[in-house]
Amino acid sequence: DTAVSQTPKYLVTQMGNDKSIKCEQNLGHDTMYWYKQDSKKFLKIMFSYNNKELIINETVPNRFSPKSPDKAHLNLHINSLELGDSAVYFCASSQGTGGVINEKLFFGSGTQLSVL
Amino acid sequence: AQSVTQPDIHITVSEGASLELRCNYSYGATPYLFWYVQSPGQGLQLLLKYFSGDTLVQGIKGFEAEFKRSQSSFNLRKPSVHWSDAAEYFCAVGGISNFGNEKLTFGTGTRLTIIP
Repeated sequence: DTAVSQTPKYLVTQMGNDKSIKCEQNLGHDTMYWYKQDSKKFLKIMFSYNNKELIINETVPNRFSPKSPDKAHLNLHINSLELGDSAVYFCASSQGTGGVINEKLFFGSGTQLSVL
Repeated sequence: AQSVTQPDIHITVSEGASLELRCNYSYGATPYLFWYVQSPGQGLQLLLKYFSGDTLVQGIKGFEAEFKRSQSSFNLRKPSVHWSDAAEYFCAVGGISNFGNEKLTFGTGTRLTIIP
């Protein structure tokens, strides 16, 4: 069983559309994350979420919103998609709430989003 | 602001040869340093990390890295590479953002190709 799984693996869509990427972890972890990897391979955190708080990277547009129906899922919703949103999006999880420095991150295999 | 530079975009090494991947960081305080590996079609996996103490850190899969404060470097090494080591390698530095949150800043990665 895949520890952190994302769907879909590839997503091609038109500008202006609204789309979602799903993420599930079966590790029983307390914290989940979304990262964005742009065309230059820079990997940046977008959100971290546990049952106590949502931490948002200050550079993330409010068109992006995480939704967590339960502890094992953190879905990424994107409204009014723009060309610049094209990237690979990675979901990750960690066991505790100790922060990205102290906790070991487990990553999904990524979702390649292409906005046309 | 913290940053990471991986000077080599792509490295090709013969199987059985030694490997060194370069990483330079910028951070005002004592850094937390990481190396992640991303195999094709997979998410990132933690290889090793440095927090404090011994500057030579051992990781999984036979990798090691050495922290050199005077050179602001954290180079990854392996004495003898295997074909399965072909992947993308990311160096990262952990610190505190302007908003007081922990964050990981990743380099742009080095793609490793292994030839027979």
